[in-house]
Amino acid sequence: ETGVTQTPRHLVMGMTNKKSLKCEQHLGHNAMYWYKQSAKKPLELMFVYSLEERVENNSVPSRFSPECPNSSHLFLHLHTLQPEDSALYLCASSQDQATSTYGQYFGPGTRLTVT
Amino acid sequence: KQEVTQIPAALSVPEGENLVLNCSFTDSAIYNLQWFRQDPGKGLTSLLLIQSSQREQTSGRLNASLDKSSGRSTLYIAASQPGDSATYLCAVIGVVADYKLSFGAGTTVTVRA
Repeated sequence: ETGVTQTPRHLVMGMTNKKSLKCEQHLGHNAMYWYKQSAKKPLELMFVYSLEERVENNSVPSRFSPECPNSSHLFLHLHTLQPEDSALYLCASSQDQATSTYGQYFGPGTRLTVT
Repeated sequence: KQEVTQIPAALSVPEGENLVLNCSFTDSAIYNLQWFRQDPGKGLTSLLLIQSSQREQTSGRLNASLDKSSGRSTLYIAASQPGDSATYLCAVIGVVADYKLSFGAGTTVTVRA
């Protein structure tokens, strides 16, 4: 596989459930990102990891918990979510934390619905 | 805080017409600007990346210009096709916090056959 992959592609969960989103990049990049895309809103940066260390937590509620076990994998653990958390969650990666030269590459996203 | 605006929000054109999509940003201290395409319910595909020192980038029927001093970029798509129907997003990387892409809300394009 090439590029950035995300699983699952679709997820429906109740407010009391616990689930995890997975992202994997096959590009040899050192930085990975989680974004949230809600209807009619610009993409919002949630978390940034560089060399497996979190460098940004953009005021995200604690019911979202990221994990980066190595530079190729990124997880987003979800628990006690709210209906307003329903959105498309996008993962991205870049060569390094400073993406000025090469830009960011995005996965296909996970469509999350919280019931 | 960087604000990115895209006008128009939606655009519908007949096949063959040229498309002009506009993006403006409030802070001209940027490293680069990136144009993306997003199909419904899908992820983002990078189309063009323009470094702050460049004035334009071209790829096939796509041409993107950048005027950093005025905070504007324009994406031109020549001879549009129905397959060009998608949402087009622009995003900038600022000099401060250079890992942060600031996105516009996008322009949704429909090309009618």
